[in-house]
Amino acid sequence: EAQVTQNPRYLITVTGKKLTVTCSQNMNHEYMSWYRQDPGLGLRQIYYSMNVEVTDKGDVPEGYKVSRKEKRNFPLILESPSPNQTSLYFCASSLYGLESEQYFGPGTRLTVT
Amino acid sequence: AQSVTQLDSQVPVFEEAPVELRCNYSSSVSVYLFWYVQYPNQGLQLLLKYLSGSTLVKGINGFEAEFNKSQTSFHLRKPSVHISDTAEYFCAVSEGMNRDDKIIFGKGTRLHILP
Repeated sequence: EAQVTQNPRYLITVTGKKLTVTCSQNMNHEYMSWYRQDPGLGLRQIYYSMNVEVTDKGDVPEGYKVSRKEKRNFPLILESPSPNQTSLYFCASSLYGLESEQYFGPGTRLTVT
Repeated sequence: AQSVTQLDSQVPVFEEAPVELRCNYSSSVSVYLFWYVQYPNQGLQLLLKYLSGSTLVKGINGFEAEFNKSQTSFHLRKPSVHISDTAEYFCAVSEGMNRDDKIIFGKGTRLHILP
């Protein structure tokens, strides 16, 4: 089944403890992206990647890192999480950039205390 | 820099009535425009998109949107809503024609279908 998977789906952690949220797609998509969703703010793009070893900042990249070593994987890294990073995170992928449809993962709900 | 404004945070409408969800954008260049839907406790799903060509775009589930360049709008419409259309709807813009694949979403409009 064609899909975007994220792990973990739920995570509660403490301030400053490094964490990684994994994202994987099995559709051979070139474009992958991370978003955070907060009530009243909609979705905001964190980072995106046009292809392997190519990543670019979105609207809210501060406090996050990403890497794209393989086409299928696009992990989101929080080196030192803070409470203002408590949010619902979505990974998405598309075949070629934004001209093609983005497929979204199920989301990861992160709480930083 | 591009931005998106969804003028209504919530829209109540009776079942089988028509609905319009409003979206305005700002950008200094040509844009791609999108509408996404998010059903409760789910990720987002593309409803429709405008890349170029015809300004009237038809999407899934009976939705359509019209690109109006002079008014910088991309309003979403459906002639008759169903209870299953209860969801949050997001308008988004990208300056993808310039090979900038950054995307900006609006803050969302919650559609409440009244029986």
